[in-house]
Amino acid sequence: DAKTTQPTSMDCAEGRAANLPCNHSTISGNEYVYWYRQIHSQGPQYIIHGLKNNETNEMASLIITEDRKSSTLILPHATLRDTAVYYCIVRVNNQGGKLIFGQGTELSVKP
Amino acid sequence: GAVVSQHPSWVICKSGTSVKIECRSLDFQATTMFWYRQFPKQSLMLMATSNEGSKATYEQGVEKDKFLINHASLTLSTLTVTSAHPEDSSFYICSARMRGGLYNEQFFGPGTRLTVL
Repeated sequence: DAKTTQPTSMDCAEGRAANLPCNHSTISGNEYVYWYRQIHSQGPQYIIHGLKNNETNEMASLIITEDRKSSTLILPHATLRDTAVYYCIVRVNNQGGKLIFGQGTELSVKP
Repeated sequence: GAVVSQHPSWVICKSGTSVKIECRSLDFQATTMFWYRQFPKQSLMLMATSNEGSKATYEQGVEKDKFLINHASLTLSTLTVTSAHPEDSSFYICSARMRGGLYNEQFFGPGTRLTVL
């Protein structure tokens, strides 16, 4: 599975949009981009995933560049409860695809 | 949404004893379950992958005789840390992949914190 690169940490003001970047320049054509987050001392929580089209759900939006070498997770109105470590993972979407976690981005939402 | 539970949520044991951690998918059947370990301030590290009714596949560097995994049914997997030592103290997290899920959705349990004295 392709490797991802994320900033170590980011700050965001409460109520503002949080934009979390991820580079995955070696992504293959059949690999999906997944985003999970982990709030302190809890299990990871699924946020969103996509292949090449932009995706939106009740939690976030995922913007994937046309060449698929990078993506951005957008939390439109960050709250204090969004403070967590956010992981960007690329994975082949088949039965054998494992989720391999990188270091992630520690997002701190501040009042 | 799909729920994965773990039991116990935390455990403290003496060095040399064995500890069993259960992982259950509560409202779906899981073709595959995964076990991760997480040390403080670090990311999750995949330990092993288990499929129902077959032997687990361990990641490189993970001792299969120390971390015994049993996946007896489509809703239950267990991880037994044998002869635990203080360096095995960690946060253990399981994950279950939904059987028949369109996108091979994978859901995580809340984790089990193991402290070995």
